[in-house]
Amino acid sequence: GAVVSQHPSRVICKSGTSVKIECRSLDFQATTMFWYRQFPKKSLMLMATSNEGSKATYEQGVEKDKFLINHASLTLSTLTVTSAHPEDSSFYICSARGAGENTGELFFGEGSRLTVL
Amino acid sequence: AQRVTQPEKLLSVFKGAPVELKCNYSYSGSPELFWYVQYSRQRLQLLLRHISRESIKGFTADLNKGETSFHLKKPFAQEEDSAMYYCALGRGSARQLTFGSGTQLTVLP
Repeated sequence: GAVVSQHPSRVICKSGTSVKIECRSLDFQATTMFWYRQFPKKSLMLMATSNEGSKATYEQGVEKDKFLINHASLTLSTLTVTSAHPEDSSFYICSARGAGENTGELFFGEGSRLTVL
Repeated sequence: AQRVTQPEKLLSVFKGAPVELKCNYSYSGSPELFWYVQYSRQRLQLLLRHISRESIKGFTADLNKGETSFHLKKPFAQEEDSAMYYCALGRGSARQLTFGSGTQLTVLP
């Protein structure tokens, strides 16, 4: 199957700083990527749908100015948590829609754990 | 609004016993249901989807529109089936996923 890679897998930052998380589709082109947030012992919550070459579509209740999403190429989407605060500490997961023989299937990254001090 | 409910947070069965992980959904449109699995220290991966009507690793799931359910079943559980299982509902043209809260399955020896 296709591979989606996230970087960094873990990041610790100070309150007030910004953090960028990258999501790459390694062996396929993904016109659509999704960003999720997972709280401890809870489900994945869809934050936004990232479309290559256009603005991301955010879910209700997600601050677009807080969570900046850029999908500049068919293999890369980035999530920037701006002016991070401790409540932004979470596990962020991206997924990308497969192409070709994997059309329709979603492939998930390994996740990025953000800790804001 | 769409919702996916997995009533069991934890489920333990003995090896060789049947297992059923429950999933109920609510959605006004035509539902597309999936089961995803996350083994320890691994990423989330697709287990099966209702459209395919396939059996993967011995698991099957039937969409019951009358009961709005998509329960995951396996007749004989194996220890390697121990994992976190998420039921998910696909919606919209981009097929965004709404996940249930997950069920942690433990298969005891």
